[in-house]
Amino acid sequence: KQEVTQIPAALSVPEGENLVLNCSFTDSAIYNLQWFRQDPGKGLTSLLLIQSSQREQTSGRLNASLDKSSGRSTLYIAASQPGDSATYLCAVRRSSGAGSYQLTFGKGTKLSVIP
Amino acid sequence: SQTIHQWPATLVQPVGSPLSLECTVEGTSNPNLYWYRQAAGRGLQLLFYSVGIGQISSEVPQNLSASRPQDRQFILSSKKLLLSDSGFYLCAWSDRGRATYSYNSPLHFGNGTRLTVT
Repeated sequence: KQEVTQIPAALSVPEGENLVLNCSFTDSAIYNLQWFRQDPGKGLTSLLLIQSSQREQTSGRLNASLDKSSGRSTLYIAASQPGDSATYLCAVRRSSGAGSYQLTFGKGTKLSVIP
Repeated sequence: SQTIHQWPATLVQPVGSPLSLECTVEGTSNPNLYWYRQAAGRGLQLLFYSVGIGQISSEVPQNLSASRPQDRQFILSSKKLLLSDSGFYLCAWSDRGRATYSYNSPLHFGNGTRLTVT
């Protein structure tokens, strides 16, 4: 059974600092890994998706890396801003039957960027 | 562009009452559809997924059911709510495309429904 772990559960940093969020998974047989952002009381917003054949993906100040063999991914946020404060979740996708392609989620890292 | 609508945003229901949450997707056809529940400290749990009209798969035994009466409509229901059904319910979709490649489509979520069973 796939398990996804995100450490730390919460992180507080001063504005402008670069930071790294960690995600680990137990089964390396994945199709892809997706990073999401969730604001309080809201749904999840997709940030980046890394396919199993890729090593990293970039979008603006965000860079996600994937080391499938070691079961790890990191989300790097450059020059953090107070607006980056949110809970960040990672999820891995593996097939569980024709057309299903379930995601297994971590519990998230709650990020607070202090002005 | 594709959008996903989920309603209501919040709902307070007494134990034993019925439930109906609705989700619709616009701007795409034949999507995969999902219902997730997010409980405090427990992460997101997949409840149901659907790869087509009338095709529903359940991931966990529970007091809930799902239906997909139209291609882009997904409904979560219960005949009698339990206290343990309280939580944040999220609908999501992904592009199915050609089956061979759909596994690399990202998941997109609605804004969720906060359900409190009293």
